[in-house]
Amino acid sequence: EPEVTQTPSHQVTQMGQEVILRCVPISNHLYFYWYRQILGQKVEFLVSFYNNEISEKSEIFDDQFSVERPDGSNFTLKIRSTKLEDSAMYFCASSERINTGELFFGEGSRLTVL
Amino acid sequence: GENVEQHPSTLSVQEGDSAVIKCTYSDSASNYFPWYKQELGKRPQLIIDIRSNVGEKKDQRIAVTLNKTAKHFSLHITETQPEDSAVYFCAACYNQGGKLIFGQGTELSVKP
Repeated sequence: EPEVTQTPSHQVTQMGQEVILRCVPISNHLYFYWYRQILGQKVEFLVSFYNNEISEKSEIFDDQFSVERPDGSNFTLKIRSTKLEDSAMYFCASSERINTGELFFGEGSRLTVL
Repeated sequence: GENVEQHPSTLSVQEGDSAVIKCTYSDSASNYFPWYKQELGKRPQLIIDIRSNVGEKKDQRIAVTLNKTAKHFSLHITETQPEDSAVYFCAACYNQGGKLIFGQGTELSVKP
């Protein structure tokens, strides 16, 4: 069964450093998302991406965040200058259809900012 | 604004009993309502979903009901088993972007 894959599974970084989280969505999917989950809390929407541009972003997704689809397979989330409060599990997701399509989540990348 | 409220935050049942988790949403334009199960340290996994043109959907021991007028939907698990223990999240799909807004989660504990 096809699945969304994410790397790294866990990254520890110093405050102020740049971090890039990588995702390979399911191959025939057209819609891509990043969500985050702070430990013990709910899953929060960060950004959606379609047709090589951001469709929507949340208040969390400020100027420190960016997304990119550099080639036909990878979808990346960059945090330019990490803060302590960026520590969370970051989930990539993709879907085949929009608005009423199932989101498939990756296993997540745990980011720890020290 | 966009919001999904989920209750209860924790739920403990005996094996074999039923469990019910309830959610309400704010945007009447929402038309897709999935439920996800998340085991500790794992990704959210879709267990059932319902679209706005349907009032109820069942898949073996799991059922979901939707009341569009009242803007609430519920997850029903019958004959619970210890392996049902996990955190369950409801979600609502807002606008044309496919964005899911999640509830706060319910930690279900099924005691043998």
